[in-house]
Amino acid sequence: GAVVSQHPSRVICKSGTSVKIECRSLDFQATTMFWYRQFPKQSLMLMATSNEGSKATYEQGVEKDKFLINHASLTLSTLTVTSAHPEDSSFYICSARGDSEAFFGQGTRLTVV
Amino acid sequence: SQQGEEDPQALSIQEGENATMNCSYKTSINNLQWYRQNSGRGLVHLILIRSNEREKHSGRLRVTLDTSKKSSSLLITASRAADTASYFCATVLWGGGGNKLTFGTGTQLKVEL
Repeated sequence: GAVVSQHPSRVICKSGTSVKIECRSLDFQATTMFWYRQFPKQSLMLMATSNEGSKATYEQGVEKDKFLINHASLTLSTLTVTSAHPEDSSFYICSARGDSEAFFGQGTRLTVV
Repeated sequence: SQQGEEDPQALSIQEGENATMNCSYKTSINNLQWYRQNSGRGLVHLILIRSNEREKHSGRLRVTLDTSKKSSSLLITASRAADTASYFCATVLWGGGGNKLTFGTGTQLKVEL
């Protein structure tokens, strides 16, 4: 099946710094990618829809200036958590849509200290 | 916003037993999908059932869909310890926004030897 690669898998950063997470579709082109956030033992909450060549669409309550999304090519979307704070610590997962099913990256565990 | 509720939230069974998880949702859908997530990892697509289908099988998995009750169930037969994971249902409604997935709350399944 299709593969979505997400990097890094784990990152620890200091409060106030920015962190960039990459999501790549390795063997197919993805005009649309999705970014989710997951707290421990909870479900995935959609943060934003990343559209190649245009602005991302953010879900209600998600700060677009804090979570910057760039979808510069058909195989790469990036999520940058700007001025990270401890409450941003979470598991972030991207996905790219195939014909019918979604393919997920392995997730990024962000810890802000 | 959260679309679906799953029950039970947690399920512990013995190897060889069957595991049944239920998912209820609130709005119309085009299809419903089930995903599996191992701890701290990305999601793996298990099975998709379309809104005009009532039952679908894949190996040891059986999924049912009742659109009149807005509910679905996932049955894993002859469970194995390796089936231990969290299971999520996700609904899709085609339209603007890239046909995004909306996830249920998840069921944590533990299969004991």
